[in-house]
Amino acid sequence: GQQVMQIPQYQHVQEGEDFTTYCNSSTTLSNIQWYKQRPGGHPVFLIQLVKSGEVKKQKRLTFQFGEAKKNSSLHITATQTTDVGTYFCAGPLTSGGSNYKLTFGKGTLLTVNP
Amino acid sequence: SAVISQKPSRDICQRGTSLTIQCQVDSQVTMMFWYRQQPGQSLTLIATANQGSEATYESGFVIDKFPISRPNLTFSTLTVSNMSPEDSSIYLCSVGDGNTEAFFGQGTRLTVV
Repeated sequence: GQQVMQIPQYQHVQEGEDFTTYCNSSTTLSNIQWYKQRPGGHPVFLIQLVKSGEVKKQKRLTFQFGEAKKNSSLHITATQTTDVGTYFCAGPLTSGGSNYKLTFGKGTLLTVNP
Repeated sequence: SAVISQKPSRDICQRGTSLTIQCQVDSQVTMMFWYRQQPGQSLTLIATANQGSEATYESGFVIDKFPISRPNLTFSTLTVSNMSPEDSSIYLCSVGDGNTEAFFGQGTRLTVV
């Protein structure tokens, strides 16, 4: 079936190091979304990418959408302890007929050593 | 944007009992979604709740175990029935059609003993 895959599952970095998580879909996506879930919290929307090859930046975060609209990445430059959490990618996959369901990758848990 | 109030935020329940989780949205929405997130895992969609029709369940989830109500465009409930320890999880309601930003309730952390 249709899947959204994400690696790595865990990443531990020293504060100041960079971090990247990768997302890959089994099918072409109309858009891809990224969410952050802090420990004990709920997922919070970060960004949506729609166009092929799109790159968006939010301060130290850089999001990319692949040319084929099947893969995406999130890169954090110079991590800080406030970046700790699980980062999920999510894409709308068909759920029968014209309905779509937001399907989440397994997430990457980022821990940062101060 | 949407603000979702979900309650209870957590509960500890005896096996064999049922728990009803409520979600109230601050605006009218066509679809609401219920997810389960097992410890350290990703979000798995349980069902989609549309107002005025029966919920649509994903593979592996059935109405008898997870009955859903959607009495109006701002409210929904999910019941976890006849609970067992395997139902211990975080349950989240959400709005968003997959093509726009999704908003989540704060989650219900359920422990079944």
